[in-house]
Amino acid sequence: NAGVTQTPKFQVLKTGQSMTLQCAQDMNHNSMYWYRQDPGMGLRLIYYSASEGTTDKGEVPNGYNVSRLNKREFSLRLESAAPSQTSVYFCASSDFIRGLAGDRFLGEQYFGPGTRLTVT
Amino acid sequence: GNSVTQMEGPVTLSEEAFLTINCTYTATGYPSLFWYVQYPGEGLQLLLKATKADDKGSNKGFEATYRKETTSFHLEKGSVQVSDSAVYFCALSDLDDYKLSFGAGTTVTVRA
Repeated sequence: NAGVTQTPKFQVLKTGQSMTLQCAQDMNHNSMYWYRQDPGMGLRLIYYSASEGTTDKGEVPNGYNVSRLNKREFSLRLESAAPSQTSVYFCASSDFIRGLAGDRFLGEQYFGPGTRLTVT
Repeated sequence: GNSVTQMEGPVTLSEEAFLTINCTYTATGYPSLFWYVQYPGEGLQLLLKATKADDKGSNKGFEATYRKETTSFHLEKGSVQVSDSAVYFCALSDLDDYKLSFGAGTTVTVRA
């Protein structure tokens, strides 16, 4: 199993250019996520997809769009890149675990290796 | 809303020293708590977790106990190695919530 894969690993864009970050998982997880990581700010959720066919905004969705193409793939698009979008982007996937009382806990999130994006 | 506060780094230690990274949380519900680790150049991976009060998560010599009374989930390791050098993130997720809330991360460097 490859787990979670992301392409590309590195990208340099000029302000105003567009690009799509690709993510795929082979663990049959229902939920997928896009985060950005900036120094001193931890990980911030951009968008997530709780299940195939649904997407929702996270903390910092402005300037991004997403597509849940199928259960395996979840892409992130920057329509008009800005220097403030310089960051490391991580894709992740997970599923819920059913507890003994029937409640649901978020299971382990599996992360891809990241895409380092620089916008000049 | 939910939030996680963890001690700021960076933390530099000598090999075999004791490591503690403090983590406290604010949550509206009854959350699950996690520690994730990020080794240089890699994505995050789960280190340990706890889903209810007084649960202790443990893995690779690391431990953390879910303390509801102090809303804390401090990470400890009794004797660190150079290979433990990484960024450590505390995180939480409410019951039935799809999302994780992360702390800012603590960079730990262990010197031989």
